[in-house]
Amino acid sequence: DILLTQSPAILSVSPGERVSFSCRASQSIGTSIHWYQQRTNGSPRLLIKYASESISGIPSRFSGSGSGTDFTLSINSVESEDIADYYCQQSNSWPTLTFGAGTKLELK
Amino acid sequence: EVMLVESGGGLVKPGGSLKLSCAASGFTFSSYAMSWVRQTPEKRLEWVATISSGGSYTYYPDSVKGRFTISRDNAKNTLYLQMSSLRSEDTAMYYCARRGYGNYVPMDYWGQGTSVTVSS
Repeated sequence: DILLTQSPAILSVSPGERVSFSCRASQSIGTSIHWYQQRTNGSPRLLIKYASESISGIPSRFSGSGSGTDFTLSINSVESEDIADYYCQQSNSWPTLTFGAGTKLELK
Repeated sequence: EVMLVESGGGLVKPGGSLKLSCAASGFTFSSYAMSWVRQTPEKRLEWVATISSGGSYTYYPDSVKGRFTISRDNAKNTLYLQMSSLRSEDTAMYYCARRGYGNYVPMDYWGQGTSVTVSS
């Protein structure tokens, strides 16, 4: 199985800062990585697909990059509504899907 | 508006069974593959099952294969997950999710989840 390692487990930021989340795959997966946001008591919401493709309705401050084994989700200028957990998910080994353990974004 | 509404969760004893449902609306249900994903109390997300748009193909991880069955009724716009031989490690929030067109696609819409607790 392809393992996804997200780091760090917790990120502390101030509003307006730029923040980046890391997701590393145990083997090369091209760009078959997707990012989700989950707010407290909410369901996961798709933010970025195929490593860097934007999703309709998602603010432009969210962006993704990477290919192969190393991927990054960035928030250009963090807003209070961005406080949430962030997960990466790979679909390269379809039909088997795996998720990273998540990164918690909190306010300083 | 795409909506997915899960139901059927609850408390069940180890070894018991439970059937979850997911009512879909706001899109052509029969055109999309669907998946179940669960979130453990430790907040880990785990893929549980996927079914093709027509229902002919189903996929499971080894952790639930032989115990869980995913199915769908396209006439009723409803997705199901039959769970049997439940274990304590199956305790989780269960989400249904729509998959886009194709095999390597993300899950673009998720329901609000239904909670399953396996305990004596």
